Amino acid sequence: GESVGLHLPTLSVQEGDNSIINCAYSNSASDYFIWYKQESGKGPQFIIDIRSNMDKRQGQRVTVLLNKTVKHLSLQIAATQPGDSAVYFCAETAALSGGYNKLIFGAGTRLAVHP
Amino acid sequence: DVKVTQSSRYLVKRTGEKVFLECVQDMDHENMFWYRQDPGLGLRLIYFSYDVKMKEKGDIPEGYSVSREKKERFSLILESASTNQTSMYLCASSLSPGIAWGYTFGSGTRLTVV
Repeated sequence: GESVGLHLPTLSVQEGDNSIINCAYSNSASDYFIWYKQESGKGPQFIIDIRSNMDKRQGQRVTVLLNKTVKHLSLQIAATQPGDSAVYFCAETAALSGGYNKLIFGAGTRLAVHP
Repeated sequence: DVKVTQSSRYLVKRTGEKVFLECVQDMDHENMFWYRQDPGLGLRLIYFSYDVKMKEKGDIPEGYSVSREKKERFSLILESASTNQTSMYLCASSLSPGIAWGYTFGSGTRLTVV
């Protein structure tokens, strides 16, 4: 069945280092992928997205890489800061009837940034 | 900013009670969603709605129902709460039908069923 999974449930990094959060997906028909950040006590917030016709997209301090050959998605955070501490989710689209889509979320990776 | 407001942050209910979780969005979004979030399982879609009075089952609708009488309000109903429905519930809305981006989430309601 459809699934989006993460390789590491918890990632600890030093402040200032780069972080890489990985995600495997199984639906090769997905055409859109999103990364969300969820801080404690808050709902998930959009970070960055990428369409399946791209292999890289950059934002402010974040980069998403998509490898469709191995169905792998990663989120890179440059110069990680304490404010980056959160749970990160990847999500992929799945088609519904009527031309609609839904998002399928991964289990999440907790990023802990240490001073 | 788009705001999605969930009426309760924490709820404790007894087994068998009928529970209402309310969600209101203030940006005239067409689409609204209810997810539950459990450790290690991510977010799972319970129900969604693309229009007033319209509802569709998500991946785990059993034990739940929804109501969307007005565009801005989407209610999740637990007909007879059970302990396995103890979870974090997240409501979301988005503007564009057919495009799964631009979700705005509420802060969640942590429900405990005892």
